Amino acid sequence: SAVISQKPSRDICQRGTSLTIQCQVDSQVTMMFWYRQQPGQSLTLIATANQGSEATYESGFVIDKFPISRPNLTFSTLTVSNMSPEDSSIYLCSAPGEPYNEQFFGPGTRLTVL
Amino acid sequence: QKEVEQDPGPLSVPEGAIVSLNCTYSNSAFQYFMWYRQYSRKGPELLMYTYSSGNKEDGRFTAQVDKSSKYISLFIRDSQPSDSATYLCAMMEVQFYFGTGTSLTVIP
Repeated sequence: SAVISQKPSRDICQRGTSLTIQCQVDSQVTMMFWYRQQPGQSLTLIATANQGSEATYESGFVIDKFPISRPNLTFSTLTVSNMSPEDSSIYLCSAPGEPYNEQFFGPGTRLTVL
Repeated sequence: QKEVEQDPGPLSVPEGAIVSLNCTYSNSAFQYFMWYRQYSRKGPELLMYTYSSGNKEDGRFTAQVDKSSKYISLFIRDSQPSDSATYLCAMMEVQFYFGTGTSLTVIP
């Protein structure tokens, strides 16, 4: 199994600012994923972060709003840009296990935008 | 129609009860089925992982997959207060699809 850490664990931000969330995996993984979890809703995939290439964004999410970096096989960042209260949510990173395809999650970043 | 349907609950049971959590799905191509447990203010933790149909048991937990009915279940025997959490089902076919989660409270 993969052990995943995230920073910060929570933050309260002002409208119009940006926050960068860091995700660290304890082993090298090809893909990392970023999810959003809003109350009462299922996990929503924002994007897939591949090392050495551009992130792949899901419908409804764009790079200008959620830029992602993936500088190596154990680390990724997600930036929430120009935040509004609608961005208040829990943001989770995950990575697949080997040899199976289960996903392991970080503890999440609880973001509140005022 | 959502890919995965899960009753959000909340579900409240006395300690020692048998808990049954369920999800239905629409995509017959799903082959991998998972159950996650998520404590408050924590990330989802993988609880059970099943490939294709059948049962899988791990201690007090049993996962069942019925592909003919597109229905999966998680049973918790001898439930404990420490089982109080939100349980999410997940399925995979190329990408992952998650249920909304069922909130469970086990009352001492």
